[in-house]
Amino acid sequence: AQSVTQLGSHVSVSEGALVLLRCNYSSSVPPYLFWYVQYPNQGLQLLLKYTTGATLVKGINGFEAEFKKSETSFHLTKPSAHMSDAAEYFCAVTQGGNNRLAFGKGNQVVVIP
Amino acid sequence: NAGVMQNPRHLVRRRGQEARLRCSPMKGHSHVYWYRQLPEEGLKFMVYLQKENIIDESGMPKERFSAEFPKEGPSILRIQQVVRGDSAAYFCASSPGLGSYEQYFGPGTRLTVT
Repeated sequence: AQSVTQLGSHVSVSEGALVLLRCNYSSSVPPYLFWYVQYPNQGLQLLLKYTTGATLVKGINGFEAEFKKSETSFHLTKPSAHMSDAAEYFCAVTQGGNNRLAFGKGNQVVVIP
Repeated sequence: NAGVMQNPRHLVRRRGQEARLRCSPMKGHSHVYWYRQLPEEGLKFMVYLQKENIIDESGMPKERFSAEFPKEGPSILRIQQVVRGDSAAYFCASSPGLGSYEQYFGPGTRLTVT
């Protein structure tokens, strides 16, 4: 079965600084990987996804993530944090043919002015 | 194109009552998923449905919980005889079908059991 590990439930970052959220997965077959963002009392919004092809994927709001098979990782980055990036971020994995998503426990990002 | 719709957004039930949560997928989407978000636990998969079929219910509690996605109308997640531990946010997601692995989420229903 697939699973996702996100370390550090709360992440503080200064406005303008690099945002780095780590995601490691386990999967017995080539995974499909996703990052979602959740604002308070709202549903999840897809930030970006990796299925096949280019391992560096770009998403909305200036975020990007790189799939590294050798490290079983899919870390999320943004060069310069903005106040509007304060939210909870979830990494998720699914296996081809099985559309069930397995989520990490999430990172609550706080942006410090 | 309207997104995934869920209602009600907030639902309060007393212990022992029934809760019915509704989900209307995005237009053109025939696959529906339900997830539950418990405090400090993240999102957990519950059930995956297509029209008139349950494809995967491996995440559903064995008792009191059921789900359906009829030919016409929204998908329904039903919880009978609710207990305090059922208090959570329940999210519905939809996707167009096989070959597309993107799931689009609704705003959720926040169930509180008193």
